[in-house]
Amino acid sequence: GAVVSQHPSRVICKSGTSVKIECRSLDFQATTMFWYRQFPKQSLMLMATSNEGSKATYEQGVEKDKFLINHASLTLSTLTVTSAHPEDSSFYICSARTGREYGYTFGSGTRLTVV
Amino acid sequence: QQQVKQSPQSLIVQKGGISIINCAYENTAFDYFPWYQQFPGKGPALLIAIRPDVSEKKEGRFTISFNKSAKQFSLHIMDSQPGDSATYFCAASIRHTGNQFYFGTGTSLTVIP
Repeated sequence: GAVVSQHPSRVICKSGTSVKIECRSLDFQATTMFWYRQFPKQSLMLMATSNEGSKATYEQGVEKDKFLINHASLTLSTLTVTSAHPEDSSFYICSARTGREYGYTFGSGTRLTVV
Repeated sequence: QQQVKQSPQSLIVQKGGISIINCAYENTAFDYFPWYQQFPGKGPALLIAIRPDVSEKKEGRFTISFNKSAKQFSLHIMDSQPGDSATYFCAASIRHTGNQFYFGTGTSLTVIP
């Protein structure tokens, strides 16, 4: 149980285009979703926290207008990378609180490559 | 500012040996300490977690040792296997705030046959 499905797993896009990444909680309601970015061989860096029905809270240094987060339902949160540039290429991972033993479960990640 | 410091950065262990990864933290408000295992191209998966009211937790070959006074905790992998080769992250959070996890910098473990 407590599965977060993240799609797509890989995406290649042209510079200047936008890419949407989806995370769905399959068997629980995710009132809070965390979005992380991970560079090769590095740790996870929190980008933003989204709560269902309200605006996301962004970490310092993360551009709100570039990384649009929507959490319109208890089972779906999306991250849209707008006007993507090669420096946005990274591994993006979502995570949701499951409510079980204070656990969090992670999506399988999205490898974004901007060419 | 790194809230959770993790070492070593990389670790090579012989099959059957013990892998030990250490983490240290400063914020005494942290009250939940999970360890995550991540394979290349995949999201992290919860391995084992501990709360500060216990000094040790064991699940199969994986053991967390927790030293509250020293603000340190470690992961021990007994009888390490090649399939354990992955990156391991320690983390810390404050449960009642529903806050995010603060992750260590990760340890790349390689278990050689």
